Amino acid sequence: NAGVMQNPRHLVRRRGQEARLRCSPMKGHSHVYWYRQLPEEGLKFMVYLQKENIIDESGMPKERFSAEFPKEGPSILRIQQVVRGDSAAYFCASSPTENLLYNEQFFGPGTRLTVL
Amino acid sequence: DQQVKQNSPSLSVQEGRISILNCDYTNSMFDYFLWYKKYPAEGPTFLISISSIKDKNEDGRFTVFLNKSAKHLSLHIVPSQPGDSAVYFCAASATNRDDKIIFGKGTRLHILP
Repeated sequence: NAGVMQNPRHLVRRRGQEARLRCSPMKGHSHVYWYRQLPEEGLKFMVYLQKENIIDESGMPKERFSAEFPKEGPSILRIQQVVRGDSAAYFCASSPTENLLYNEQFFGPGTRLTVL
Repeated sequence: DQQVKQNSPSLSVQEGRISILNCDYTNSMFDYFLWYKKYPAEGPTFLISISSIKDKNEDGRFTVFLNKSAKHLSLHIVPSQPGDSAVYFCAASATNRDDKIIFGKGTRLHILP
């Protein structure tokens, strides 16, 4: 049973370009979470999605950032017109159910975004 | 506004001794707490959790203690082994409200030979 997969593992973009980060949850998991880790910081929640639905995007910056989890295919975190401050590690996690008393979130290896 | 605080950025412990990692939280709505371990260039991996109805949970060398009145939890690792060298994140969730997990900034544990 493959774990959470993220690609690319490393992504380099110039200021103003777009970054697309992909996350394939574990088989059987229908809940996806995106987190961002800035240098020397903990993981900050960005968005929680289920198939075709955004459940909670309270951690997403208001502009330039969007996320989707289509019926088919991976979840995508999209950052438009990237700036240097977007450089971070972006982690995706998945869980089979929203009841955290019985399930934990399983993390992917992360995508390290570097904006030049 | 940090709801989960890990005040020690790093900790060094001799191999074989006990490692104690501390975590404080401010939100009284948190009722589920987790510890994650992270190696460089990898995602966090779940280590151990505790519900607020308990004050202790043990799994092998790892024990988590919860003091609700002090809003404090700690992770004990005994005996510490070289493979325990990693960053440890404390995390908390208010499961009756939403499914967000709020993470601390992490503590880097070095196990010394």
